[in-house]
Amino acid sequence: GQQVMQIPQYQHVQEGEDFTTYCNSSTTLSNIQWYKQRPGGHPVFLIQLVKSGEVKKQKRLTFQFGEAKKNSSLHITATQTTDVGTYFCAGPGSGAGSYQLTFGKGTKLSVIP
Amino acid sequence: DTEVTQTPKHLVMGMTNKKSLKCEQHMGHRAMYWYKQKAKKPPELMFVYSYEKLSINESVPSRFSPECPNSSLLNLHLHALQPEDSALYLCASSHPGDYGYTFGSGTRLTVV
Repeated sequence: GQQVMQIPQYQHVQEGEDFTTYCNSSTTLSNIQWYKQRPGGHPVFLIQLVKSGEVKKQKRLTFQFGEAKKNSSLHITATQTTDVGTYFCAGPGSGAGSYQLTFGKGTKLSVIP
Repeated sequence: DTEVTQTPKHLVMGMTNKKSLKCEQHMGHRAMYWYKQKAKKPPELMFVYSYEKLSINESVPSRFSPECPNSSLLNLHLHALQPEDSALYLCASSHPGDYGYTFGSGTRLTVV
């Protein structure tokens, strides 16, 4: 079955430093989604990438989808304490399992003020 | 309304109890999901309903029984659970196909 690997598992940064999390799939993905889960909260949808090589920006967040549609990254510029949380990438299954969104293990971001 | 509402927010139940988790959305989404999330782990898919029909059951134990009464409601009936079933149970909805999910705030379940 499809596996979505995500690194690093944890990242501690000083406020103002940049942060990047990486996601790799064992299979080609039709799209990849990113979610943020604050401590004690629930996952919140951030963005979906569909096209090969796609780059999307949301303020200080930059999302990339690889040319082969097997990897993705989320980069945060100049982190703030509000960025604290766990960031998950997630990819759909294929065929009959296309509704099956498989989550990576997540990267837990801590920001030191 | 862009929310998925889950009740109750917290639930403590004994191993012989029967309880139900409820989920409601009014976004017109025709796909709804139950996920289970243990501490420090990613959400794991349990059930998928598409157009009110169960389309994927990820080999979940029969002590968990889903129900989709209509396109806005999703229930998860619980019976004879084990302590290891204690977790955050998340409901989500989306348009069928490759679209982002909207998650509810979850039910934090403790089985004693």
